[in-house]
Amino acid sequence: GNSVTQMEGPVTLSEEAFLTINCTYTATGYPSLFWYVQYPGEGLQLLLKATKADDKGSNKGFEATYRKETTSFHLEKGSVQVSDSAVYFCALSAVGSGGSNYKLTFGKGTLLTVNP
Amino acid sequence: SQTIHQWPATLVQPVGSPLSLECTVEGTSNPNLYWYRQAAGRGLQLLFYSVGIGQISSEVPQNLSASRPQDRQFILSSKKLLLSDSGFYLCAWSVGGVSEKLFFGSGTQLSVL
Repeated sequence: GNSVTQMEGPVTLSEEAFLTINCTYTATGYPSLFWYVQYPGEGLQLLLKATKADDKGSNKGFEATYRKETTSFHLEKGSVQVSDSAVYFCALSAVGSGGSNYKLTFGKGTLLTVNP
Repeated sequence: SQTIHQWPATLVQPVGSPLSLECTVEGTSNPNLYWYRQAAGRGLQLLFYSVGIGQISSEVPQNLSASRPQDRQFILSSKKLLLSDSGFYLCAWSVGGVSEKLFFGSGTQLSVL
């Protein structure tokens, strides 16, 4: 079946530090890949996505590149801010039965804390 | 614009009591609807999804059930709660037929004591 593995947290960084959160996946076929972010006390929001190999998703200074050869979708940001403190989830969407996408498979989430 | 409402925000229930969590979506028609549970240290687990009224798919065997009595209403229920049902429950929707982007509600923190 499909699965997503992301690095264990928590991750604690100082402001302006470089961030990498690793994510690898297992899936049949050619999934779409996502990063969702959950700020304290809120639901999840889509941060970025990539739908095919070598695509790069980017948003709010975050980037992730779909690497089919390593089945990875690592999240990076060059200079984090205190406001980036949140839980980050890697996810994949694969074609379900009947040829329609109905489900996302999520990783366990990585808590990021950025200190001033 | 589309909005999703989920309530209550927090809930404390004794073991063995019933449960009803409600989720409604506004501003869209025929959405796909989802219930996820976020348990400590276990990430997000898909519990149920629905592609239409009365159509419910269950992902994992458990003590919970879901119903969709109206197009934009999704209800999560239990007849008798267990301690292991504690967690953060998230409702979500996506455009019907294209599910790649999910829109999440603000969640319900359920504590079963």
